[in-house]
Amino acid sequence: AAGVIQSPRHLIKEKRETATLKCYPIPRHDTVYWYQQGPGQDPQFLISFYEKMQSDKGSIPDRFSAQQFSDYHSELNMSSLELGDSALYFCASSLGRQPGAQYFGPGTRLLVL
Amino acid sequence: ELKVEQNPLFLSMQEGKNYTIYCNYSTTSDRLYWYRQDPGKSLESLFVLLSNGAVKQEGRLMASLDTKARLSTLHITAAVHDLSATYFCAVVPNFGNEKLTFGTGTRLTIIP
Repeated sequence: AAGVIQSPRHLIKEKRETATLKCYPIPRHDTVYWYQQGPGQDPQFLISFYEKMQSDKGSIPDRFSAQQFSDYHSELNMSSLELGDSALYFCASSLGRQPGAQYFGPGTRLLVL
Repeated sequence: ELKVEQNPLFLSMQEGKNYTIYCNYSTTSDRLYWYRQDPGKSLESLFVLLSNGAVKQEGRLMASLDTKARLSTLHITAAVHDLSATYFCAVVPNFGNEKLTFGTGTRLTIIP
């Protein structure tokens, strides 16, 4: 069965650079969620989209923005990267706004040097 | 602000033993989820608990939910090495936004 696809899987950037993470949800899933997980920490909700509109917002820094496109894939854009942005970024998708029924992607590991 | 706490944070146990992980949360909710995460890997859904008194079992793991006490438990029976992982509970509140708030996680190590 198709799963959530994230790209890239690994990314190394320097401070103050920008990064774009991509998420391709499971086919027919219309809701996408983004999470950030620092080393040894629990995942923190960043933002979610339902039917291409932002539906909920969590602890997402102003330097980050995200959107969901017409094909339901989503991109998380991160600017002015800081060392503290180094983390595992997960995307999850669900059919409808059902946060408990979401399937997580493999994650993108971002390292900021 | 919703707080979700797990204990213990770290658990080292021998194979064959039983143990329970506890998840407490601070707001009204009857939607609680358990996930497993291996190091550097994604989150795997284990259990979905959607009502007071819900009990789910899969293999050596059993999860339950007491919404009045705002408490969920994950019980491990006769632990085996393959169960070594970090376990997270996550809650969606009954009122407010529709997002998962994760617990602090319990890192479980099963010793042969």
